[in-house]
Amino acid sequence: DTEVTQTPKHLVMGMTNKKSLKCEQHMGHRAMYWYKQKAKKPPELMFVYSYEKLSINESVPSRFSPECPNSSLLNLHLHALQPEDSALYLCASSQDTWQGDYEQYFGPGTRLTVT
Amino acid sequence: KQEVTQIPAALSVPEGENLVLNCSFTDSAIYNLQWFRQDPGKGLTSLLLIQSSQREQTSGRLNASLDKSSGRSTLYIAASQPGDSATYLCAVRGPQGGSEKLVFGKGMKLTVNP
Repeated sequence: DTEVTQTPKHLVMGMTNKKSLKCEQHMGHRAMYWYKQKAKKPPELMFVYSYEKLSINESVPSRFSPECPNSSLLNLHLHALQPEDSALYLCASSQDTWQGDYEQYFGPGTRLTVT
Repeated sequence: KQEVTQIPAALSVPEGENLVLNCSFTDSAIYNLQWFRQDPGKGLTSLLLIQSSQREQTSGRLNASLDKSSGRSTLYIAASQPGDSATYLCAVRGPQGGSEKLVFGKGMKLTVNP
């Protein structure tokens, strides 16, 4: 099973709302990632968790707050977002982050609209 | 800084053609290269992973090759079908900026017409 699941599929939120995106994998992977993708652009890396610790934050605004409660679960907490944050948010996982033939597997994404 | 280029940005072909999609990268010091497919509004589906020590990988009608020294990879799609219509992205992973990161090309939108 090479599945990464994400919920919800779609989310509409106002600029004052607080919401969370959820990502789950049961492949025993120890690295999990959040990406943001705008229309007709490639994914942009936001955060990387390795062994449940945040290893990379690509200078993401603090209104995005990641959390990794355990090795299978990754959350992205959203607060006071701006309309320009509307995008497809993708979660991915890989066996590890160290050099090697580690393939990244992506989830179906959450389409976020900020009104 | 690693840069990945995919040219052309879009391609429209009749069904049945054999296709070659190109990907080039500026720094040959990579760990691996991954080809993805993305349908509109969907996530990325991994098609093939080529390790830096490999020359090619095959899966069904897909064959990907890697020439690290020249910084190029090609994805060959045999006997294209309308269901192959999607955006295809290549991405490399290497020591530049950290081994965790995938550096993506901008993608190539493929349309296969019946």
